[in-house]
Amino acid sequence: QKEVEQNSGPLSVPEGAIASLNCTYSDRGSQSFFWYRQYSGKSPELIMFIYSNGDKEDGRFTAQLNKASQYVSLLIRDSQPSDSATYLCAVMDSSYKLIFGSGTRLLVRP
Amino acid sequence: DAEITQSPRHKITETGRQVTLACHQTWNHNNMFWYRQDLGHGLRLIHYSYGVQDTNKGEVSDGYSVSRSNTEDLPLTLESAASSQTSVYFCASSNIRAPYEQYFGPGTRLTVT
Repeated sequence: QKEVEQNSGPLSVPEGAIASLNCTYSDRGSQSFFWYRQYSGKSPELIMFIYSNGDKEDGRFTAQLNKASQYVSLLIRDSQPSDSATYLCAVMDSSYKLIFGSGTRLLVRP
Repeated sequence: DAEITQSPRHKITETGRQVTLACHQTWNHNNMFWYRQDLGHGLRLIHYSYGVQDTNKGEVSDGYSVSRSNTEDLPLTLESAASSQTSVYFCASSNIRAPYEQYFGPGTRLTVT
């Protein structure tokens, strides 16, 4: 069974700080990795994806991938209270299905 | 504007009843998915379809069925509802060119008493 693991949190950070969210996966053959954000009571939305080892930046968000260690992380710089949400890590399998982690709840304190 | 809708948004039913949850998308996406979301489990795939007349079982398909007679709709049927199927159900769709970018519906909260 392919697995994606995340710490459920909550991860609490002060406004303006860097929030670091981590995810590990079991399938060494995985190639594509995604971060979805889900506000309470809402549906998930895609915010970042990464395929290659290293960093990918998009505004305040940076995704980091280390395939050798089988982990993916999401950094949120200058965290805002509006970033408070659950962040879901997902890995795409060979038949284009997404396998989701259980999510990390982020709380940004004003 | 293109969208994906689910109905009903809330449903309470009794154990043993058959229930159908509707999902309709106007993105003209080939790929459609049904997930359930429970505390501590994240999103788990129930069934998925990559086109008309195509359906596939996901990780937690027991007790559920789907059919795909057109591009826009993928209804999810609970054959005989059980309390363990109390959950929030999300439908999602994606196109062939970007299968990872799934657009999610607003969700249906189902309670089985």
